Amino acid sequence: GQSLEQPSEVTAVEGAIVQINCTYQTSGFYGLSWYQQHDGGAPTFLSYNALDGLEETGRFSSFLSRSDSYGYLLLQELQMKDSASYFCAVNEGGGNKLTFGTGTQLKVEL
Amino acid sequence: DTAVSQTPKYLVTQMGNDKSIKCEQNLGHDTMYWYKQDSKKFLKIMFSYNNKELIINETVPNRFSPKSPDKAHLNLHINSLELGDSAVYFCASSPRTSGNEQYFGPGTRLTVT
Repeated sequence: GQSLEQPSEVTAVEGAIVQINCTYQTSGFYGLSWYQQHDGGAPTFLSYNALDGLEETGRFSSFLSRSDSYGYLLLQELQMKDSASYFCAVNEGGGNKLTFGTGTQLKVEL
Repeated sequence: DTAVSQTPKYLVTQMGNDKSIKCEQNLGHDTMYWYKQDSKKFLKIMFSYNNKELIINETVPNRFSPKSPDKAHLNLHINSLELGDSAVYFCASSPRTSGNEQYFGPGTRLTVT
């Protein structure tokens, strides 16, 4: 079967760096995406990795290691507004279907 | 200039009723989706349409019937609502060639009593 594992909760202080990990076991793999969702809001796309390595977009970076079936989202210079749930999602079939992880609740404290 | 919109935002109804949720996107995308997010925030795809054609149909009770009148609209009709249908339903869209970057609507919180 398919599974994507993420820590359920992570807490960090404002200004710090935090890493949210995602390990996956899927029948196919065509890329790993990350989404952010604030309470009561909609998921919003953050980044996508199809190949191994680091993708940087401002304060957020995403890393992928296909050989380890592992990726992470790195958030730098944390701000209070970064408090949200973060989901990794795998594209298994190369088409449009994403399988989402269980999500990581990030709490940023002063 | 809302990208993906859904109506209604909240829906409270009784068991056994039939209800519909509407979705529209103005991004020019070919592909649209319906997702269900449960109380534990687990987000699961239900259906996907590409240019009015059904391309993803997950294991969903046939009480749920999607309809896409054109590629900018995807509606979800639910018959004989059950307590377990209570959830937040999200519509999303993406370019046909890039399902990894999906744009979500604001969600419809359905409560079945």
